[in-house]
Amino acid sequence: GAGVSQTPSNKVTEKGKYVELRCDPISGHTALYWYRQSLGQGPEFLIYFQGTGAADDSGLPNDRFFAVRPEGSVSTLKIQRTERGDSAVYLCASSIHPQSNEQFFGPGTRLTVL
Amino acid sequence: DAKTTQPPSMDCAEGRAANLPCNHSTISGNEYVYWYRQIHSQGPQYIIHGLKNNETNEMASLIITEDRKSSTLILPHATLRDTAVYYCIVRVSNAGNMLTFGGGTRLMVKP
Repeated sequence: GAGVSQTPSNKVTEKGKYVELRCDPISGHTALYWYRQSLGQGPEFLIYFQGTGAADDSGLPNDRFFAVRPEGSVSTLKIQRTERGDSAVYLCASSIHPQSNEQFFGPGTRLTVL
Repeated sequence: DAKTTQPPSMDCAEGRAANLPCNHSTISGNEYVYWYRQIHSQGPQYIIHGLKNNETNEMASLIITEDRKSSTLILPHATLRDTAVYYCIVRVSNAGNMLTFGGGTRLMVKP
């Protein structure tokens, strides 16, 4: 079956630009997570959705970062006024429900801010 | 969630067992031990989890010490495709919360 997909796989942008990263979770999965992974480090949590609502956005680094999940399936991570320090791999994961033991990860979007 | 400590890297010969240790001395009674791995250029993949009993599935075995302060992930017959970064994570299972990844152990399986 289809896993978690993320688009684009790579995104190169200039400092100050706006970017959107998309995540398509596994069909029927109610929980959706965004993580960010810098080179040589483990993934860091950004935000978690239960259905359409953000249940925990404590990992978002600042107000330039925002995410939505309007219909409870696809999610978009939005970054305004990108900075070079935003360069990382952005990972999305989903699970069938929040208490599920397994999170299924997508392949990530590699964001490079020049 | 409790913090974990893992060696940064390990080598293993192909076909031999890979034993990956993890220390989690501050683990709470309601926290489970989870293992994920991340193969190069892919997202992390769930391997196994446990509370206090040893667990085994088709991928690996998890041995948790009686005091629950440490655990070992065992890949019984490592293959080249098992080369990856392995993350040990402690987490309250029934909470809809995130995974807190540390630095993990980079396992290199060699021919």
